Amino acid sequence: RKEVEQDPGPFNVPEGATVAFNCTYSNSASQSFFWYRQDCRKEPKLLMSVYSSGNEDGRFTAQLNRASQYISLLIRDSKLSDSATYLCVVKQGGKLIFGQGTELSVKP
Amino acid sequence: ETGVTQSPTHLIKTRGQQVTLRCSSQSGHNTVSWYQQALGQGPQFIFQYYREEENGRGNFPPRFSGLQFPNYSSELNVNALELDDSALYLCASSRDRGYNEQFFGPGTRLTVL
Repeated sequence: RKEVEQDPGPFNVPEGATVAFNCTYSNSASQSFFWYRQDCRKEPKLLMSVYSSGNEDGRFTAQLNRASQYISLLIRDSKLSDSATYLCVVKQGGKLIFGQGTELSVKP
Repeated sequence: ETGVTQSPTHLIKTRGQQVTLRCSSQSGHNTVSWYQQALGQGPQFIFQYYREEENGRGNFPPRFSGLQFPNYSSELNVNALELDDSALYLCASSRDRGYNEQFFGPGTRLTVL
């Protein structure tokens, strides 16, 4: 079983749609949680950290459920520029453990 | 940009050869982590260096080795290259080993023929 599991997609959505990504992790000792964004053939970039209380950054909302070991990302009013791969990431010790990523394609 | 640089950007090698990849960390950062990203997969942790010492290693064989220099730049060395080593190699620097945020360089794309 992979340590961090995501639906690989792809998710194909029209502009303006709301899209939700889900992720589960297996190690309950994981300390910190993130969503990264990776554009095609580029490096991953931190999108946002994820907290148990839930956190929002503009159109993006992230949620963590430690009891279920589940992380989510909601994107509202999606834009063409949101097209990318979204990586669910947990931190254990000094290392980041990545899911395989969920590809999002936003169409006009 | 993150201020993390990597060289070279692309590299083609043949099976059995050896390769050295380089990473310059962001100014003020003393920790460098290396990741391997195969096509269609998320990055996988290779190892981390903190103040010139290895500070954790992922599930990679000993032919993957590294170094960190006094200026905190780092090298990843891979011996006896195999076809499956073809991947994007990413380095990430952070202010300290306990810091959450890691800043990634643009990566080195290695192709093994």
